[in-house]
Amino acid sequence: DIQMTQSPSSLSASVGDRVTITCQASQDISNYLNWYQQKPGKAPKLLIYDASNLETGVPSRFSGSGSGTDFTFTISSLQPEDIATYYCQQYDNLPPAWTFGQGTKVEIK
Amino acid sequence: EVQLLESGGGLVQPGGSLRLSCAASGFTFSSYAMSWVRQAPGKGLEWVSAISGSGGSTYYADSVKGRFTISRDNSKNTLYLQMNSLRAEDTAVYYCAKDQSSNRVVVVAADYWGQGTLVTVSS
Repeated sequence: DIQMTQSPSSLSASVGDRVTITCQASQDISNYLNWYQQKPGKAPKLLIYDASNLETGVPSRFSGSGSGTDFTFTISSLQPEDIATYYCQQYDNLPPAWTFGQGTKVEIK
Repeated sequence: EVQLLESGGGLVQPGGSLRLSCAASGFTFSSYAMSWVRQAPGKGLEWVSAISGSGGSTYYADSVKGRFTISRDNSKNTLYLQMNSLRAEDTAVYYCAKDQSSNRVVVVAADYWGQGTLVTVSS
């Protein structure tokens, strides 16, 4: 099974800061990597799909990059409404399955 | 507008059974693979199961294989999760989720999620 290692588990940053979260896969997953945002008490929301594609309607301050085993999620300028937990999710097709990273809780300093 | 509405959660004793439903609207339900994802209290997300648009292909996490069954009724635009032999570790909010693209066998990226239904397994 593919394991996903997401870091950090939490971070505190100021409004306007650049925030970066990383996700490492235990083996090559090509670009089968998505990023979700989850606010307390709410369902997850898809932000980035296929490692670097911005989902429709998602602000451009969110971005993703990487392929193979190493992936990065970036918020270019942190906003108060970005307070949430962020998860990476990889898709495997042999057999089809998902694995989520452990999550990164983002807070305002 | 796409909507997914889960129901069927509740309190059940260990070893018991429960069936969750997810009523879908606002899209051509039969064209999209669907998944169930759960989240234990205070914990991260865990994929549970997925089903193709036709219902002909189903997939499960090892943690629920042999105990849970995913199914769908495309005439009723409804997704189901039959949960048997429930354990305390199955306690979680269960979300249904829709694939981003039509006509894929499995959910690759979930662009719409329900609000979740809480399942509590306890004596």
